[in-house]
Amino acid sequence: SAVISQKPSRDICQRGTSLTIQCQVDSQVTMMFWYRQQPGQSLTLIATANQGSEATYESGFVIDKFPISRPNLTFSTLTVSNMSPEDSSIYLCSVVPSGSGLSTDTQYFGPGTRLTVL
Amino acid sequence: RKEVEQDPGPFNVPEGATVAFNCTYSNSASQSFFWYRQDCRKEPKLLMSVYSSGNEDGRFTAQLNRASQYISLLIRDSKLSDSATYLCVVTPYNFNKFYFGSGTKLNVKP
Repeated sequence: SAVISQKPSRDICQRGTSLTIQCQVDSQVTMMFWYRQQPGQSLTLIATANQGSEATYESGFVIDKFPISRPNLTFSTLTVSNMSPEDSSIYLCSVVPSGSGLSTDTQYFGPGTRLTVL
Repeated sequence: RKEVEQDPGPFNVPEGATVAFNCTYSNSASQSFFWYRQDCRKEPKLLMSVYSSGNEDGRFTAQLNRASQYISLLIRDSKLSDSATYLCVVTPYNFNKFYFGSGTKLNVKP
């Protein structure tokens, strides 16, 4: 498996501001994803972070609100822009390690960033 | 229709009980299947992959039924530490996305 860290682990922000969350992996990975998990809910995929190109966003999520960078195979950032209280959530990055077979590939999650917007 | 559906529970069982969860998926071309466990305020962690032939890991048994498009997780001799939310995950044939169920909450009581 991969070791994944996220920064910050938690933050409390004022509405209208932006927060950038970092995800660092200890090895090169094929795929990186960003998820949101609102209180009491399951995970919702925000986007796939593509190395060297624009992220692929899911329905309901747009680049202006959630810009994503992935400059290399071990690092990605997610920015939550112009925040409102509805953005209060846990944000998780996940990775699929490189070199695994299709039948056993899976993803591993970072510890998450707990965001509260006042 | 959701890609993956689970009974949210909660399932409240006594220690030592056997409990089973099912998860249905809508895409018959789905390729890989997993069960994750998520503890309160923690990230999801892989519990086990689900193979076509079924697989067992200690007290946990996972099975796949492609004809009826569901996977199951059986927990024998439940422990207090098994209390968590169990997430079913399905990936399509091209393995570019993971679909999560909403999770089934298990409470194991003394």
